[in-house]
Amino acid sequence: VQLLGSGGGLAQPGGSLRLSCAASGFLFDDYAMAWVRQAPGVGLEWVSVVSGSGGDTYYADSVKGRFTFSRDNSNNMLYLQLNSLRPEDTAVYYCAKGRSWGSDTAFDYWGQGIVVTVSS
Amino acid sequence: SYVLTQPPSVSVAPGQTATVTCGGNNIGEKTVHWYQQKPGQAPVLVVRDDFYRPSGIPERISGSNSGNTATLTISRVEAGDEADYYCQMWDNNREHHVFGPGTKVTVL
Repeated sequence: VQLLGSGGGLAQPGGSLRLSCAASGFLFDDYAMAWVRQAPGVGLEWVSVVSGSGGDTYYADSVKGRFTFSRDNSNNMLYLQLNSLRPEDTAVYYCAKGRSWGSDTAFDYWGQGIVVTVSS
Repeated sequence: SYVLTQPPSVSVAPGQTATVTCGGNNIGEKTVHWYQQKPGQAPVLVVRDDFYRPSGIPERISGSNSGNTATLTISRVEAGDEADYYCQMWDNNREHHVFGPGTKVTVL
């Protein structure tokens, strides 16, 4: 299993970024996928999860309405669109694979982390 | 919203047993997972579904869950066990994943 994230960087407050995560080594549409972030020196914060089919997507209150999580099961890709960015969105963002199809699963593989910095 | 509590830190001598707790209202009725994270690295799942160990996780690491406390136990602690440990569960009522604040395990 490999999860290779890309797309981070520096954005201004109010700006946008798109994160990508390329998955390989497993039957992609059989598993839920998620994004989890970690601000500097702080613990893990769940951001969003999508079921295997992509039919069910859930968001943390802190990002709902600003972030959009999508999956392309044809190309084994995940995308997280980050809009209306705030300084408190500064974090390392991890994509993670669920152990099962449903959204309520544990996460058994994690990407290497994508750094997002929101600052003027 | 459902809140998980963990002690900020646990210190343990090599060869002894480290116990990391995760508190929550009737958490024993929920399914808890545990992750280990070393500095600069991505988290690693060490216990899933309260007490199952993923392949490659040593038998020294075990989990339990009852009442208002889930527990991660690391027996015969080694220097390599020094890390942050996070509990996590799915809040069915809010359809949210929840992580505990994390516990730093220090090997003396």
